[in-house]
Amino acid sequence: QSALTQPASVSGSPGQSITISCTGTSSDVGAYNYVSWFQQHPGKAPKLMISDVTNRPSGISNRFSGSKSGNTASLTISGLQAEDEADYYCSSYTTISTLVFGGGTKVTVL
Amino acid sequence: EVQLVQSEAEVKKPGESLRISCKGSGYSFANYWITWVRQTPGKGLEWMGRIDPSDSYTYYSPSFQGHVTLSADKSSSTAYLQWSSLKASDTAMYYCARPRDYSQPPDYWGQGTLVTVSS
Repeated sequence: QSALTQPASVSGSPGQSITISCTGTSSDVGAYNYVSWFQQHPGKAPKLMISDVTNRPSGISNRFSGSKSGNTASLTISGLQAEDEADYYCSSYTTISTLVFGGGTKVTVL
Repeated sequence: EVQLVQSEAEVKKPGESLRISCKGSGYSFANYWITWVRQTPGKGLEWMGRIDPSDSYTYYSPSFQGHVTLSADKSSSTAYLQWSSLKASDTAMYYCARPRDYSQPPDYWGQGTLVTVSS
């Protein structure tokens, strides 16, 4: 199966909001509400930020929010902060019971 | 505290075999799947497969089926990822991770094991 499609990079100034898109197919993103988002800083393991499209695990800032429409999911980071500079990956459960990731988006805080 | 601790980095030659490990603690190891994820600079994160430590039932990504083997020893709370014949293209960082359920994303991750395959 193919990776989900994300923009390679997104940037914003401190305090601004940015949105990262994640496009899949009717066999993954469009099939279930099982889209997740991960944050990864250099040299670190990925960290779960959003699960089930919109749910934030305990301890995750409410500046992070998720949504989905059809085969495209989105992650919005509001009130952008320097610590948000990282790579972000979306993922989705699929109709063949696997997990598929996006190619990753590098977020730069200007 | 839930922890997944992986084995140290490995440097191997093409054709050699390898097994890396992932030891879970702070939870009932047999009650949660373990998944393995590969990360390369060029391809990002790739889901390799999952194993149920309670009965060692495995499910592989079609991309990795036949190329790697997942196993687990619930008595030592350890999961394993192994190769019988490494290739240069297996050079990557490998993470073990624990999802809440088989359909859920991993919410706990190991620190990663870097595998380098070079002649």
